Amino acid sequence: DIQMTQSPSTLSASVGDRVTITCRASQSISSWLAWYQQKPGKAPKLLIYKASNLESGVPSRFSGSGSGTEFTLTISSLQPDDFATYYCQQYSIYWTFGQGTKVEIK
Amino acid sequence: EVQLLESGGGLVQPGGSLRLSCAASGFTFSSYGMSWVRQAPGKGLEWVSAISSSGTGTNYADSVKGRFTISRDNSRNTLYLHMNSLRADDTAVYYCAKDTIPATGGVFDIWGQGTVVTVSS
Repeated sequence: DIQMTQSPSTLSASVGDRVTITCRASQSISSWLAWYQQKPGKAPKLLIYKASNLESGVPSRFSGSGSGTEFTLTISSLQPDDFATYYCQQYSIYWTFGQGTKVEIK
Repeated sequence: EVQLLESGGGLVQPGGSLRLSCAASGFTFSSYGMSWVRQAPGKGLEWVSAISSSGTGTNYADSVKGRFTISRDNSRNTLYLHMNSLRADDTAVYYCAKDTIPATGGVFDIWGQGTVVTVSS
């Protein structure tokens, strides 16, 4: 099974900050990596697919990069609506999610 | 509007059974793979099962293999998850999710609102 490890688990930041979340795969997954945002009591929302492709309707302040085993999600200027939990997901072999990164208000 | 609506959750005793349903609307249901993803209270997301657009291909997480069965009725635009031999650690919110490709193996671009399954005596 492919394991996904995110860091940090929790991130405290302020509006306007640049935020970076890292996701590592236990083996190479090429670019088969997606990022989701989840707010409390709501379903996850797809942000990025194939490591760096922005889903339609997602603000351009979100970006993704990486390939192989190391990936990052960057929010260029954190907005109030961005405080949420973020999950990476590999879809190279079946699907596995990272444990999540909670972005909270500093 | 593209929408997925789950139903069928509830309280069930350990060892019991439950059938979840997911009604799709706003897109051509028969053209896409579908999955179930669950989230235990306060925990992260766990993929459970997937089915291809035609229903001929299915996959299961090891944690549910042999106990859960995924199926679909394309004439009714509905996805199902039959859950048997339920255990306490199956307690979770269960989401259905639409794949971006007809087979399984893409990402999940549309999610339902979730249905709660609680396994307890």
